[in-house]
Amino acid sequence: NAGVTQTPKFQVLKTGQSMTLQCAQDMNHEYMSWYRQDPGMGLRLIHYSVGAGITDQGEVPNGYNVSRSTTEDFPLRLLSAAPSQTSVYFCASSRGAKDTQYFGPGTRLTVL
Amino acid sequence: AQTVTQSQPEMSVQEAETVTLSCTYDTSESDYYLFWYKQPPSRQMILVIRQEAYKQQNATENRFSVNFQKAAKSFSLKISDSQLGDAAMYFCAYRSHTSGTYKYIFGTGTRLKVLA
Repeated sequence: NAGVTQTPKFQVLKTGQSMTLQCAQDMNHEYMSWYRQDPGMGLRLIHYSVGAGITDQGEVPNGYNVSRSTTEDFPLRLLSAAPSQTSVYFCASSRGAKDTQYFGPGTRLTVL
Repeated sequence: AQTVTQSQPEMSVQEAETVTLSCTYDTSESDYYLFWYKQPPSRQMILVIRQEAYKQQNATENRFSVNFQKAAKSFSLKISDSQLGDAAMYFCAYRSHTSGTYKYIFGTGTRLKVLA
């Protein structure tokens, strides 16, 4: 099992550019989430999914889109990157709502 | 809305000694989960311990234990026999047990330094 994988590990964007952060898990987990981590602010939930075709907003969803067409993949899209989106992004998954949440290694994104 | 507060930005402990990290939370719910996560310099988030609010017994995992005070809304982490590998950021987290809710709330973290 590779667990939760994220690509890329690092990315630099210019303001206004778009990109997709990839997240995949091979554990057949139903629940997946995206977080951002900023200095001094802990992790904040962006979007989450409780199964293929089902997504919902978290605490800080503005500027981000998600979709869940398969159980394995949960990409995060930035349509028009802004400097305020400079952060470290984590993807996480769990089998069910009551189960342990496993995190990916993170993507460090810088928007200039 | 629920909140999680970690009031200690940084703590230090001597190797082999015991240290306690504090966490308080605010919620109007009666059923929920609480977690401590460790984030070493590698950036990987690792679950240390979890506690279900309906369980009165404090959770333990080897050298890690919690002091869960539901009425006081306090959830502290005790690390015994501290090791150099325990040096990391530690995050306290809350998750509602309400059906259909899957939102984790994280505290701002405590950086633990272990002195040799």
